[in-house]
This record gives sequence, structure tokens and C-alpha cells, in this order.
Amino acid sequence: RKEVEQDPGPFNVPEGATVAFNCTYSNSASQSFFWYRQDCRKEPKLLMSVYSSGNEDGRFTAQLNRASQYISLLIRDSKLSDSATYLCVVNMRPNTDKLIFGTGTRLQVFP
Amino acid sequence: NAGVTQTPKFRVLKTGQSMTLLCAQDMNHEYMYWYRQDPGMGLRLIHYSVGEGTTAKGEVPDGYNVSRLKKQNFLLGLESAAPSQTSVYFCASRKATDPYEQYFGPGTRLTVT
Repeated sequence: RKEVEQDPGPFNVPEGATVAFNCTYSNSASQSFFWYRQDCRKEPKLLMSVYSSGNEDGRFTAQLNRASQYISLLIRDSKLSDSATYLCVVNMRPNTDKLIFGTGTRLQVFP
Repeated sequence: NAGVTQTPKFRVLKTGQSMTLLCAQDMNHEYMYWYRQDPGMGLRLIHYSVGEGTTAKGEVPDGYNVSRLKKQNFLLGLESAAPSQTSVYFCASRKATDPYEQYFGPGTRLTVT
């Protein structure tokens, strides 16, 4: 089983739609969770961290479910500029700063 | 403030050739990383460094060497390139006090024929 698993997509949604991605992780001792965004042929950039209580940043909401070992990203009112690949990232082992990256979920927003 | 830069952006090598990829950061970050990204796979850590003069192996270190002689630079070397090393290579850095946000360079696309 992969340490971090994501549905590769693509998710094709119209502008204004709400879309959600899930990501599962295998190690229950994982400490920290993030969503990175990667545009086509560009470098990954941190989108947001994911906290146990859930967190929101504008149109983006991230949630963590430790019991089921998954994190989610919800994007409301999708924009064309949201088209990208969203990488689920986990700090897999306690007391280490090494990050484990998922393969990414591709989102395509169309007019 | 350029952030993280990588040289070169593209390179084509023949099997057996050697090359060095250069990563430079101007943010005074202590930690630096080299990853490779292949289709259908997540970013995989090759080597990393927690400070000047120190390096450590990551998940896929075979066939690569690294050096961190200066705090701002992290070099990745391929001594004898193989087609399996065709990939996009990303360098990243971070502050010691911020464990989780890594800042990535624009990547180097390497093809080994």
C-alpha cells in the first residue's frame, strides 16, 4: 500500500462548481498534513496546512479525519485559475521533517 | 529576492555521461533537498542537507551524489547517467524553524538517452 494515496483525476468541473479531493495515508502516527499546488510544468507551492480542527482560507477548506486516516480539500466557486494538480503531503513519521508527497489530483476548471 | 534557482533548466545527456545540477537559495535557509518527480509517482527525496557541510540520503539516493560546501548552494551530481535517471529534478529549501513549508526551485528537466 502506498504511504499517501490520491485519486489522480482528472476532475473536470465548470467555473463556479464546488469540488472536493480526498487523500488517504497509511501511517496512523503521521503528524502533519498539507496541500501543495503544482501548475503544469512548474514547481509545487504550499497551498495550506491541514489542522485537526479543520481550516479555511478563502474558497479553500481543508479537513483532517485521523480516525479514518484521510485529509480532504474542498474548493468552492471554482475559478479557471484553480486548474492545477493538488498534491497531498504528509509528514509520515514522528520526529522527522521528511515529507511524503502523493502523486497528485489533477483539476481542470472549464468555462 | 530570487528564492530558489536551479541551473540548468533543461539538459540532454547520453548514457554514461556525468553532470552536476546546481541549486541556489538566497533566503538563508538551513535545510535543502533534492527530489525527482516522475509520471505517476510522487516527488521522491534523493538527498538532503540540514546545514553547510552535511548531507544525508533520502529515499532514492543510488546513482547520485551531493555536496553542500556553501550554505546557499546544494549540488546534485550524476557520475554516470542512466536512462532511468530521466526525470524532472526539483530542489527545495526551508528554514530550520519552519519544519514544513518547503520552497521549491523551478526544476531541471533531464533526459538521458
